[in-house]
Amino acid sequence: QVQLVESGGGLVKPGGSLRLSCAVSGFTFSDYYMSWIRQAPGKGLEWVSYISSSGETIYYADSVKGRFTISRDNAKNSVFLQMSSLTADDTAMYYCVDRKCSGGGCYSDYWGQGTLVTVSS
Amino acid sequence: DIQMTQSPSSLSTSIGDRVTITCRASQSIGKYLNWYQQKPGKAPKLLIYAASSLHSGVPSRFSGSGSGTHFTLTISSLQPEDFATYFCQQTYSIPITFGQGTRLEIK
Repeated sequence: QVQLVESGGGLVKPGGSLRLSCAVSGFTFSDYYMSWIRQAPGKGLEWVSYISSSGETIYYADSVKGRFTISRDNAKNSVFLQMSSLTADDTAMYYCVDRKCSGGGCYSDYWGQGTLVTVSS
Repeated sequence: DIQMTQSPSSLSTSIGDRVTITCRASQSIGKYLNWYQQKPGKAPKLLIYAASSLHSGVPSRFSGSGSGTHFTLTISSLQPEDFATYFCQQTYSIPITFGQGTRLEIK
């Protein structure tokens, strides 16, 4: 059974930092790219970042570039999102998701339950 | 960035109705288009990938079509559990972008 379990969310002041973690089980973690996707309260979905299976290829949304850092530990089946210089616009549910490419497309079929980040003074 | 525009933003429908949701890309994305369903308080679930491939375990009343810039998600006969919000997503290029969502409501 596949499980993605996020942790590390919480209330943080503007300008503060937070580190999100996602523990993965049920599939061969080291074979897959992983992503973070966020959703502000009552809003749509926003892709944040993804990291290749080896960790060598990384992309970020412009809205977080220079402030967020994605990383992974294949030995611990975990992916991380280090967030700094947080603003109210970063308030959202953060989802850890896989990224697969097959059948002529790339998609995310496994999602965690999400961890809520609230940036407020 | 590729802009994804969904229509309608919301739709009042009835059990048994045939529903079509449209997603348009601001430039050609081939078939790199996915559809997700999200219910309140839950993570999104993959329904359709590569524009028209049904994800494992998804009921056959869901279908997707299109390529290039115009895509549709069709629910052939709406069931009670289908009232939710639907998002399209393009994975053709970075940044990956989503449509704004279509909320299906009970009429």
